[in-house]
Amino acid sequence: DIQMTQSPSTLSASVGDRVTITCRASQSIGGWLAWYQQKPGKAPKLLIYKASSLESGVPSRFSGSGSGTEFTFTISSLQADDFASYYCQQYSSYSWTFGQGTKVEIK
Amino acid sequence: EVQLVESGGGLIQPGGSLRLSCAVSGFTVSTNYINWVRQAPGKGLEWVSVIFSGGSTNYADSVKGRFTISRDNSKNILYLQMNSLRAEDTAVYYCARGSSGWAFDHWGQGSLVTVSS
Repeated sequence: DIQMTQSPSTLSASVGDRVTITCRASQSIGGWLAWYQQKPGKAPKLLIYKASSLESGVPSRFSGSGSGTEFTFTISSLQADDFASYYCQQYSSYSWTFGQGTKVEIK
Repeated sequence: EVQLVESGGGLIQPGGSLRLSCAVSGFTVSTNYINWVRQAPGKGLEWVSVIFSGGSTNYADSVKGRFTISRDNSKNILYLQMNSLRAEDTAVYYCARGSSGWAFDHWGQGSLVTVSS
């Protein structure tokens, strides 16, 4: 099974900051990587799919990049509504694995 | 509008069985692949199972042999039959529609399953 290592687990930032989260796969997954935002008590929300494609309706301050085993998720200018947890997710061979998550907190 | 609504969660004793339902609207279960994903209290997300449009299924190793995913095309409902439940199965269970990019683009609100004596 493919394992996903996401870092950092917690991130303290201020409104307006540039925020970067990384995800590393235990083996190559091509470009099949997605990023989700989750707020407490709510279901996850898809932000990025196929490593760098922005889901419809998602603000352009969110972006993703990478391929193979190394992937990056960036919020270009953190907004108050962005304080939440973020998860990467890989797809390979008809199964999926999530990263451990990153909690973005107010500094 | 795409909607997924889970039901059937609750408190169950270890070793017991429970069936979750996911009522779908805005698309058809028979022409999409749909997943179950769970989240233990205070923990991260764990993919559980998938059923594809052709009917084939797959499971996480942690539930293989105990859980069964199925669907009723006439009712547009997805199910997750959970047997031999363990304390570590305690979680909020979400159903989620798969997208063309192998991601999950629509999610239900979740149903809490608590396995405890």
